[in-house]
Amino acid sequence: DIQMTQSPSSVSASVGDRVTITCRASQGISSWLAWYQQKPGKAPNLLIYGASSLQSGVPSRFSGSGSGTDFTLTISSLQPEDFATYYCQQANSFPLTFGQGTRLEIK
Amino acid sequence: QVQLVESGGGLVKPGGSLRLSCAASGFTFSDYYMSWIRQAPGKGLEWVSYISSSGGTIYYAGSVKGRFTISRDNAKNSLYLQMNSLRAEDTAVYYCARGVYNSGWYPYYFDYWGQGTLVTVSS
Repeated sequence: DIQMTQSPSSVSASVGDRVTITCRASQGISSWLAWYQQKPGKAPNLLIYGASSLQSGVPSRFSGSGSGTDFTLTISSLQPEDFATYYCQQANSFPLTFGQGTRLEIK
Repeated sequence: QVQLVESGGGLVKPGGSLRLSCAASGFTFSDYYMSWIRQAPGKGLEWVSYISSSGGTIYYAGSVKGRFTISRDNAKNSLYLQMNSLRAEDTAVYYCARGVYNSGWYPYYFDYWGQGTLVTVSS
């Protein structure tokens, strides 16, 4: 199975800050990576797929990059609604696997 | 609009069975690849099972293989998860989720999710 490791596990930031979350795969997955945002009590919301393609309706302050084993999600200017937990997911092979999550908290 | 509505969760004893359903609307269900994904209380996301649009290709997570069965009825716009030999570690919110179509198929990414149904396995 491909292990997905996110860092940091949690981060505190302020509105307007630029934040970067990292995801590392235990083996190469080309660009088969997605990022999701999840708020408490809600289902996850797809932000990025194919490592860098912005899902329709997602604000352009979200961006993704990387290929192979190392990937990043960047939020260019944090908004109050962005405080949530973020997950990466590999779509290269079964079983599909998620990172453990990164909790983004208000400083 | 796209809607996925899960049902069938509840409290069950270890070793028991449950059948989850996911009713789809607002899109051509028979065209789309579907998955079940779960989340234990306070924990992260775990993919459980995948089924192709026709039902001809199925995958399971190792933790549920041999105990869970995914199926679909395209005539009823419904996805199912039959869960047998349930264990305490199966306790979670179970989501059904739709694979992505965006100028091409991306069946292993998920753009619409249901609200989830809670399965609790406890004596």
